[in-house]
Parts: sequence; structure tokens; C-alpha cells
Amino acid sequence: SAVISQKPSRDICQRGTSLTIQCQVDSQVTMMFWYRQQPGQSLTLIATANQGSEATYESGFVIDKFPISRPNLTFSTLTVSNMSPEDSSIYLCSVEDGGTTDTQYFGPGTRLTVL
Amino acid sequence: EDKVVQSPLSLVVHEGDTVTLNCSYEVTNFRSLLWYKQEKKAPTFLFMLTSSGIEKKSGRLSSILDKKELFSILNITATQTGDSAIYLCAVGAGGYQKVTFGTGTKLQVIP
Repeated sequence: SAVISQKPSRDICQRGTSLTIQCQVDSQVTMMFWYRQQPGQSLTLIATANQGSEATYESGFVIDKFPISRPNLTFSTLTVSNMSPEDSSIYLCSVEDGGTTDTQYFGPGTRLTVL
Repeated sequence: EDKVVQSPLSLVVHEGDTVTLNCSYEVTNFRSLLWYKQEKKAPTFLFMLTSSGIEKKSGRLSSILDKKELFSILNITATQTGDSAIYLCAVGAGGYQKVTFGTGTKLQVIP
């Protein structure tokens, strides 16, 4: 399975600022996914990021709030823009298992607290 | 809208007990059902099931899928304190590799 790292592992931010989360994979993957897990909740898919194309956002998530970059097959970033306390969550990136199954492997996550 | 429901929401057992976690789903164009264990932040993959009636087993954990009744169970035998975690069920369905996660079952194993 792929080895995935995320930076930062945690951060405390002020309302109105933005934070960019990085996700690095040790092998080339076609699809990368960004999830949010609010306190006490399950994982909600924010968007799917393919290299070389615009990210596909799920209902309720927009590019202006969560811009995503996918410059190559091993790296992606998610920015949480103009943050409010409601954005306090764990943000997780994941990658698909070789593109042939639904199995996804997750990075260690970023715990974001917005004051 | 795809729906994945897990039960119970939480469970407290003693070491050595056997537990059964449930996952039911309503989705369009089912592809697979997956189980994950989440201890801190990152979910770790346990099983993927695609066929009814075939048990997947790994040590003390096992899982089976019923595609007719639209549910799966995850069994953990001889539980240990290290099994304490949130267990997530997810279903892959639809036109691309999207999976929908359930709300999870929080399992606490006490000595």
C-alpha cells in the first residue's frame, strides 16, 4: 500500500485566515481524495483530485472555499480559505489502490482548530 | 442519495468478549463494501467485500456481505483493549471511485 504523509499534522488558526494542507504520496497515483471529519462525525468527501484536471467537488463544497491543486501524480494541496470555527475538523487525504478497487489508503490527517 | 448506516453507534465490552458490528446500505450501482479501523486520525483498511456470502478473515476479525439484504457485519472475537477504536463502514457505488462512509461504531474494550 502507498505511504502517505500530510503537513501540517495540526494547526490552530485565526478566523478569516487560510491554511494550505499538503499531501505527499510515495508512488504515482491517478486519483487523490480529500475528506473532512468534523468532531464526532464520519468522513465526508470534499473533492476528488486528478492530475492535470480540475478537482471534482461534492455537493456542499465549492472551489472558492476549498481550492485544490494537483500538480503531479504524487502531490496535492487543499486550502481552507477564509476560515471560521465551523471549519474546525480533521482533514484527510487518501489515494486509491492502483485504480482498480474502491480501497483507499489514508494519510495521517491534519487536525485544524479555528478560533 | 447513497446512504450507509452503522449500528450500534457505540459499544462497551470486556476483554475476551465477541462483538458484532452492523452496516446496512442503500446505494445505486453497488461496487464494494469496505471496513476501516480509526484509532486516532487516519482510518486503516481492514476488508473489502464484493461478493455475497464469502467471509473475509484476518486474525480475530472477520466480515461477510449480504447483497440481497444490503448489509454487512464485522465480527471481532476475543476482543483486546487494542481493538478500541471507531470502526467505519464505507460503500463504493456510482460512476467513479467515490465511497460513502457510515457514521461509525465506537468500540471500547475494557480490561
